[in-house]
Amino acid sequence: DAKTTQPPSMDCAEGRAANLPCNHSTISGNEYVYWYRQIHSQGPQYIIHGLKNNETNEMASLIITEDRKSSTLILPHATLRDTAVYYCIVRVARSGGSYIPTFGRGTSLIVHP
Amino acid sequence: EPEVTQTPSHQVTQMGQEVILRCVPISNHLYFYWYRQILGQKVEFLVSFYNNEISEKSEIFDDQFSVERPDGSNFTLKIRSTKLEDSAMYFCASSAFRLLAGGQDNEQFFGPGTRLTVL
Repeated sequence: DAKTTQPPSMDCAEGRAANLPCNHSTISGNEYVYWYRQIHSQGPQYIIHGLKNNETNEMASLIITEDRKSSTLILPHATLRDTAVYYCIVRVARSGGSYIPTFGRGTSLIVHP
Repeated sequence: EPEVTQTPSHQVTQMGQEVILRCVPISNHLYFYWYRQILGQKVEFLVSFYNNEISEKSEIFDDQFSVERPDGSNFTLKIRSTKLEDSAMYFCASSAFRLLAGGQDNEQFFGPGTRLTVL
């Protein structure tokens, strides 16, 4: 599987932007970058995904570098409820082109008052 | 908003007993999944299920495990003869379509999990 590298932990002040980096230097041309998060003891939650263009939705923005070797998830105005483990995942094709998310250790984001 | 539900939220069992974990996927979804997360560890894929049969499984999913869709709504994970190391959170997920690596996204929606404790 294509590997991703994320810092193990980060913290952010409430109301500030949280910028979570991810390195995926072995990403292939048609592999998407996905971000999930897991709030303590809950199931993972999809946040956003992208291929090469920057993406934005109601939860976050995703900035992908031009060479696609890294990306940054941006939570523009972090709240205490954004405290969670954030996973950056690169889709890798299995047999027949199917895909199963492979979760790493992620980044533990703590938003403090 | 539709969501995946799981019951029970917490299951305690004795080693060697059988347990059945239940999931109700989102109603129009066709693909179903089980994952587990041992305390402090990564979320690990166990099995995917489509059209009443297993489509993929990991090396963790051995003969001790089985899955079933007994009716039109439930999706179950059975663990026969539980072991201490089966203690974990078990997450069910569903997706409308098959997840494909190179295509547009068909996302998985996860349930809240069942915490299994084997004593």
